[in-house]
Amino acid sequence: DTEVTQTPKHLVMGMTNKKSLKCEQHMGHRAMYWYKQKAKKPPELMFVYSYEKLSINESVPSRFSPECPNSSLLNLHLHALQPEDSALYLCASSQELAGGTDTQYFGPGTRLTVL
Amino acid sequence: AQSVTQLDSQVPVFEEAPVELRCNYSSSVSVYLFWYVQYPNQGLQLLLKYLSGSTLVKGINGFEAEFNKSQTSFHLRKPSVHISDTAEYFCAVTEVGNSGYSTLTFGKGTMLLVSP
Repeated sequence: DTEVTQTPKHLVMGMTNKKSLKCEQHMGHRAMYWYKQKAKKPPELMFVYSYEKLSINESVPSRFSPECPNSSLLNLHLHALQPEDSALYLCASSQELAGGTDTQYFGPGTRLTVL
Repeated sequence: AQSVTQLDSQVPVFEEAPVELRCNYSSSVSVYLFWYVQYPNQGLQLLLKYLSGSTLVKGINGFEAEFNKSQTSFHLRKPSVHISDTAEYFCAVTEVGNSGYSTLTFGKGTMLLVSP
């Protein structure tokens, strides 16, 4: 089973709202990722967790706050977002985060619209 | 840093025709290459990957790709496409950063448009 689940599928929020995106995997993977994808563009890496510790932060604004409560779960907390943050947010997981041979498995994404 | 070039932003093709989607990468000591497909309003699905061994890699849905080290290419092929193959295709390469962690570098994507 190579399934990564994400909730919600769609989210509409105002610029003053606080919301969270959730990602879950039960493959025993120890690395989890958040990507942002704008229309007609490739995914852009935001954050990477390895063994529940934040390993990579690609200079993402602080209005995005990741959290990894356990090895199966990854959250992305959103606060005071801007309309340009509207995008598809993808979660991925892989077995490890080293060596280059790891395969990342992606979830279906959350379509976020910021009004 | 690694880079991936997908020269064609869009490839139109008729149903049951063969197709090739091109991907070139910047050279490196160790190269690990992937093709992902993204159907409309969905996440990315792994089609196939090259890590080592045979240079011809077979994937899901009848797709295959050939790793060519001398030409630094990893082109994706399918001998006969279906309407359902209409999607965005991303070529990606793994890069090991200074931190020792590996991340994916994606090409810009190629939209495959299959018409009847």
